[in-house]
Order: sequence, then structure tokens, then C-alpha cells
Amino acid sequence: DAGVIQSPRHEVTEMGQEVTLRCKPISGHNSLFWYRQTMMRGLELLIYFNNNVPIDDSGMPEDRFSAKMPNASFSTLKIQPSEPRDSAVYFCASSTTGGTNEKLFFGSGTQLSVL
Amino acid sequence: SQQGEEDPQALSIQEGENATMNCSYKTSINNLQWYRQNSGRGLVHLILIRSNEREKHSGRLRVTLDTSKKSSSLLITASRAADTASYFCATVRATNAGKSTFGDGTTLTVKP
Repeated sequence: DAGVIQSPRHEVTEMGQEVTLRCKPISGHNSLFWYRQTMMRGLELLIYFNNNVPIDDSGMPEDRFSAKMPNASFSTLKIQPSEPRDSAVYFCASSTTGGTNEKLFFGSGTQLSVL
Repeated sequence: SQQGEEDPQALSIQEGENATMNCSYKTSINNLQWYRQNSGRGLVHLILIRSNEREKHSGRLRVTLDTSKKSSSLLITASRAADTASYFCATVRATNAGKSTFGDGTTLTVKP
């Protein structure tokens, strides 16, 4: 299995631009998580889906952030408009259980720099 | 604030020594997990311990859990230079079983 695949690996954009991060979870996994990692705040859970349905989006910082999971094999995290404080590494993770979370498999992350 | 807090923030040891990292948390949990992150990479799951377990082993890893003190420790025995990484604990709460909350991590450096 290829593992969780995220794209792009690196993204540099200017303030105000729209940014779309993509994630392909491991086949057969029914839960998907978006995390953000910064030096100041550590790893923060932004949103997670179970069977393609958003379960908890309380970690989404503000309305500029949105996430979708149109099918079991694809999810996007969109920031519009982007701001310099959004600069971080964004990780996608998937797991098989969804109910009682057992083990997360992480992608390699997207390093986002907003200038 | 984060559910889990690791201690120490940074640890530097010689190859062959043991490394111990601690994690404290605040609320009742279903399970606690430890992850490893190499620089520039995603997190990798190491071991899971359930709330009704007190100790678990996996290779050179030993994890303990004390639910009365809301704390866990990760021991890496006979460390190697390749163990150099950041280590995170993650808790899954009893009241929100789908959600893993990560601590700030311990950065371990193993000198050859």
C-alpha cells in the first residue's frame, strides 16, 4: 500500500490567494483527519471525517478554512483567502476504526508558506 | 491547551543509554498512543496502551500508564542514533472517542 498521499509537498503563495491541499487516504480506511503543525501551537486537529461525513470541525480556525470529502478516496482542505499566519505543515491522516480511534497513519505533510 | 504534555521538551543521550519520556494528560481516556516524527516527515505510530492496561512492550519500547496520576511514560532501551526524532503522546478521550489529541512532543537526540 502506498500509504496516505498528500499533495503538494510544498506550497508557497501570496497573502490573499486561495490554497487547496489534497489527501488520498489509505484504501479501506473509513476515517480521515486534517492536522496542522506549528512550532508555537504544536499539532492541532482541524477536522475529521468518518465515512466521508464531517464529525468534528471545532478545530477549524475560522471561516476561511473549509474541508470536503466527496468520496472515500479523496479529501481537500481549502484556505481562502490565505494569510501569513496560516503558514504551517498540514498533515492528513487516516485510520480504520472511526469509533474508538486506534492508530493513525500520517501522510508526509504539505509545507505551506504564505508570504 | 493540548490534552497531553510531554516532559522533558528535549533529551540528549549517548548511544546505548536508555531514554525515558513522560506524558501527562487532563481528562479520562480510552487509550494513549505514542508516535515518532523524524525531521520533515509525518508521524509514525509506535504503540498503543488502553486505559485498563498498565504496561506494554514492543521490541525496545516499554510504555506504562498510570490512570490515577493521568500520566504515561515511554522508555526506549539501548538507544541508537537512528532513534533521534521527536516523540509525541496522543490521547483519545472517553467522551470523544474519534479524536486524538497530541502533546507538544519530546525531541530526542542520540549521539553516536
